[in-house]
Amino acid sequence: DAEITQSPRHKITETGRQVTLACHQTWNHNNMFWYRQDLGHGLRLIHYSYGVHDTNKGEVSDGYSVSRSNTEDLPLTLESAASSQTSVYFCASSSSQGASGTSYNEQFFGPGTRLTVL
Amino acid sequence: AQSVTQPDIHITVSEGASLELRCNYSYGATPYLFWYVQSPGQGLQLLLKYFSGDTLVQGIKGFEAEFKRSQSSFNLRKPSVHWSDAAEYFCAVSGNEKLTFGTGTRLTIIP
Repeated sequence: DAEITQSPRHKITETGRQVTLACHQTWNHNNMFWYRQDLGHGLRLIHYSYGVHDTNKGEVSDGYSVSRSNTEDLPLTLESAASSQTSVYFCASSSSQGASGTSYNEQFFGPGTRLTVL
Repeated sequence: AQSVTQPDIHITVSEGASLELRCNYSYGATPYLFWYVQSPGQGLQLLLKYFSGDTLVQGIKGFEAEFKRSQSSFNLRKPSVHWSDAAEYFCAVSGNEKLTFGTGTRLTIIP
């Protein structure tokens, strides 16, 4: 079965370190998204990609970067981790709108990565 | 810009009672609307979605939602809740293939 996976599931790091969170999907979806979830804020969009070599900033992109070198993966990098980036991070994917008459923007979510920055 | 408001942060319901979770949205065109559920420590699972047509949509686990354009609402309902429904529920609106989420409603079920 197709799926979307994230690794690691839990990560503790120190302020100032570079951290990369992995996201891998086997749906063959064009669209991929990174969100962070914080109490009182719900899920907020960090970065997203509509295809290979395409990346876009979301609502809370400062301090984060992504790159898309293939369809399956969208790693999220924290260039210099800060305590304010302690959060739960979710990756999601969807097929392009209208593709095969399916999806209609339905996003499928990974299990999440809990990141703690000390 | 699109936005979603879930006015209830926390709701407590007795097992077997009915449930309604409120969601109001703001979007310039015809919205695509979603309800997701998140069990503790888990990712998000799609409960149901509205794109067009019948304004009452059925989802998984016995949930339904009604789209009311005049009220910009998409409230989630269930006639009789089960203890396993305890979770966090998120309403979302889609535009340009991006989702905007509400802040969520935490549902507690009491025996």
